[in-house]
Amino acid sequence: DAKTTQPNSMESNEEEPVHLPCNHSTISGTDYIHWYRQLPSQGPEYVIHGLTSNVNNRMASLAIAEDRKSSTLILHRATLRDAAVYYCILSRPSSSNTGKLIFGQGTTLQVKP
Amino acid sequence: NAGVTQTPKFQVLKTGQSMTLQCAQDMNHNSMYWYRQDPGMGLRLIYYSASEGTTDKGEVPNGYNVSRLNKREFSLRLESAAPSQTSVYFCASNRDKTYEQYFGPGTRLTVT
Repeated sequence: DAKTTQPNSMESNEEEPVHLPCNHSTISGTDYIHWYRQLPSQGPEYVIHGLTSNVNNRMASLAIAEDRKSSTLILHRATLRDAAVYYCILSRPSSSNTGKLIFGQGTTLQVKP
Repeated sequence: NAGVTQTPKFQVLKTGQSMTLQCAQDMNHNSMYWYRQDPGMGLRLIYYSASEGTTDKGEVPNGYNVSRLNKREFSLRLESAAPSQTSVYFCASNRDKTYEQYFGPGTRLTVT
């Protein structure tokens, strides 16, 4: 499985945009890019995923570089509730469609009021 | 719609004791997963089940067994608990052909 590299931690101010980077220089053409986040004392929750094009949903936006070797999760307006560990994960579809995910260390986002 | 539920929420075991962690989902998902998360670390996959009646090993399967009882339930068994198995255990599920996994609240296990 291709690996991802994320900063260990980042800080943001409340109500400002946050850009969380992820490098994945060994990504293959069929790897999807997923983002999950884990709030304190909770299980992870899905945020967004994409393949080649930028993606938007109610939680965030995902900007994917043209060469796909990096991506950025964008939280448009951080709130205190967005303080969490954010995981960038690559996943290659398999014939069995199991969807298993390999989690790294993630980026711990602190949001200051 | 409860999503993914896990029992128990907390458990303390002595070394050598056995126990089963229970997981159930009510979303009619085919795939289910067990992960463990050690302090300050990301999640590691223990076992997964792509469909009822099938199970496969993940990254760290040693010391664990699993059982996909039916489509809803996926249990994780520790036959002889060891202190190295002290961790938080998460169960997850998802549909075929999509990678949005839904996670349970976790079971915090301490082995003394």
